[in-house]
Parts: sequence; structure tokens; C-alpha cells
Amino acid sequence: SAVISQKPSRDICQRGTSLTIQCQVDSQVTMMFWYRQQPGQSLTLIATANQGSEATYESGFVIDKFPISRPNLTFSTLTVSNMSPEDSSIYLCSVEASKTEAFFGQGTRLTVV
Amino acid sequence: DQQVKQNSPSLSVQEGRISILNCDYTNSMFDYFLWYKKYPAEGPTFLISISSIKDKNEDGRFTVFLNKSAKHLSLHIVPSQPGDSAVYFCAARRYYGGATNKLIFGTGTLLAVQP
Repeated sequence: SAVISQKPSRDICQRGTSLTIQCQVDSQVTMMFWYRQQPGQSLTLIATANQGSEATYESGFVIDKFPISRPNLTFSTLTVSNMSPEDSSIYLCSVEASKTEAFFGQGTRLTVV
Repeated sequence: DQQVKQNSPSLSVQEGRISILNCDYTNSMFDYFLWYKKYPAEGPTFLISISSIKDKNEDGRFTVFLNKSAKHLSLHIVPSQPGDSAVYFCAARRYYGGATNKLIFGTGTLLAVQP
């Protein structure tokens, strides 16, 4: 299994500002995934982050709004830029353990006021 | 277009009885289905999965059943315990080639197990 640490666990931010979320894994992984869970909604994949290349974004998500870094095989960051109240969500990073299993961090609960 | 649906937002069950959580999907290209449990302020925890070529997988108190023709799966928990109280997410995986697997999640079902 993989242990994933996410920071911060929660934050309250002013609109128009940016927040960077960090994700640290205790083992080397090829791919890391970033998800968003809006209130009352399911988890939605934002992007897939490969070490050494640009992240691949899902439909409806763009790099300018959610820039991602993946400097090495154990670490990634997701930035939520120019925040608005609609960005209030739980953001989660995830890694694959196998074809049939994925592990998640504890999530970052973001509130934009 | 919600490809994975959990139509029951909540379920209440007595301790010791069976909990049945349901999930429907629309995309026949999904090759694995997974169930996750989530407590407040924690990330989802993997519970059990099933391949699309199987119809049942069992792990202790947890059993997942897959009905491909109906595009329906269910998670059975027996006997239910108060510690099982959490939100349960159904997820479906579609393999896109290379090393990329994408999970598509349902909206979750809040299970409350009453002592």
C-alpha cells in the first residue's frame, strides 16, 4: 500500500488568490492523479501528472486554472488559481497501486470566501 | 452525462443485518469496478473491486456482485457494524492504454448502521 500525505488539510481563502496543495507519497509512483469533489457531487478527475512531462487535463479543466507540478516520483502540487467561491471543494491526490486499486490522500477542504 | 450512478443518497441499517449498496453504469467499456469507503475529513479508502469478466468477488464481510447485462453492481456488507457507517463510492475504471487508468465515481451513498 502507499501512504499519501496532503497539505494543507483545509484552508479558507479570499477570492482572487491562489492556493497550492502538496501531495507526498512514501514510494515512487509513475502517475499521480488529482481529483475534485464539489459539495454533494462525485469525485471528478482534474488531471493526470506524469513525472518529467506536462500534466494531462480532463475536459473542463485547464492548466491556467489548475497548474500542476511533478518534480519527482514522490511529489506533486496542484495550484488552484484566481479562486472564486465555485472552487470551494475537496481536492484529493491519488496514486495507482495496481490495475484494480488506487490510494487517496486525506484531501484538502478548500473554502473560498 | 453521469456514467456511474448511485441512486440512493443514504441508507440506514440495523447492526448485524445486511447492507446492500447499489450502483448503475452506462458505459460498457468499463473493465473494473471498485468500491471505496470515505469517512469525514479522510480520503476514500479502497474496499473491494471486481473485474468485468466476473460476477462476484468476496472479501470477508464484503461481497460485490456484478450484473453486466443490467449494467448494475452491488456491494453487500454482512453483518453490518456501526464502524461501517461512512459514505460509500462506486467507481468504474476505463483503461486508456499505456499506464493510464481513469476512475469515474458515483455520487456516493451515506450508510448509517444503527446499534
